[in-house]
Amino acid sequence: DQQVKQNSPSLSVQEGRISILNCDYTNSMFDYFLWYKKYPAEGPTFLISISSIKDKNEDGRFTVFLNKSAKHLSLHIVPSQPGDSAVYFCAASKGSNYKLTFGKGTLLTVNP
Amino acid sequence: EAGVAQSPRYKIIEKRQSVAFWCNPISGHATLYWYQQILGQGPKLLIQFQNNGVVDDSQLPKDRFSAERLKGVDSTLKIQPAKLEDSAVYLCASSLDGTGLSGANVLTFGAGSRLTVL
Repeated sequence: DQQVKQNSPSLSVQEGRISILNCDYTNSMFDYFLWYKKYPAEGPTFLISISSIKDKNEDGRFTVFLNKSAKHLSLHIVPSQPGDSAVYFCAASKGSNYKLTFGKGTLLTVNP
Repeated sequence: EAGVAQSPRYKIIEKRQSVAFWCNPISGHATLYWYQQILGQGPKLLIQFQNNGVVDDSQLPKDRFSAERLKGVDSTLKIQPAKLEDSAVYLCASSLDGTGLSGANVLTFGAGSRLTVL
């Protein structure tokens, strides 16, 4: 039972354009949603998070949007840079059990 | 601050052999996690410690996997005997507050230990 789904295994965009990474979830009890970025041979690094009481959170070039009714969130990167090329994982947690449940990840490639 | 340290980075063993991975979390982080990441999948939680007590080990294959966190600091994850399907990257992570009372529970991950079982 995959509670966090990233249906696009890969995404390719041009430098300077917008990257939009999508994530769907099935468990309505999730309270927090996080995005992690992972480079090869490194561990995932935290990027940005959003609480279920908000619908948008912004940090520099990164913005996460949450649509609770659709159980969908997205990560927007504007403008995209070649250094953003990595695997992006969507993760969610619920209640007092704060373990993170991860999606399978989306490989983003930003072409110069 | 120093990050989460893991060793070894790479390990190749034959099936039915045993292996152990070590993790040193960020100083002061009470919560420690072991995740398994199989190629093409997202990380899956194996076990979560709060200080030296186990909070969640529901997805740990207890017939072959064991983990301990002595004195609430370092942790060791052991696999005995290993199977082919155990080939994966084993990620250790830590967080300051595993209860999430201060907001999102942001985990800091180590670089991982890549296990290949032949």
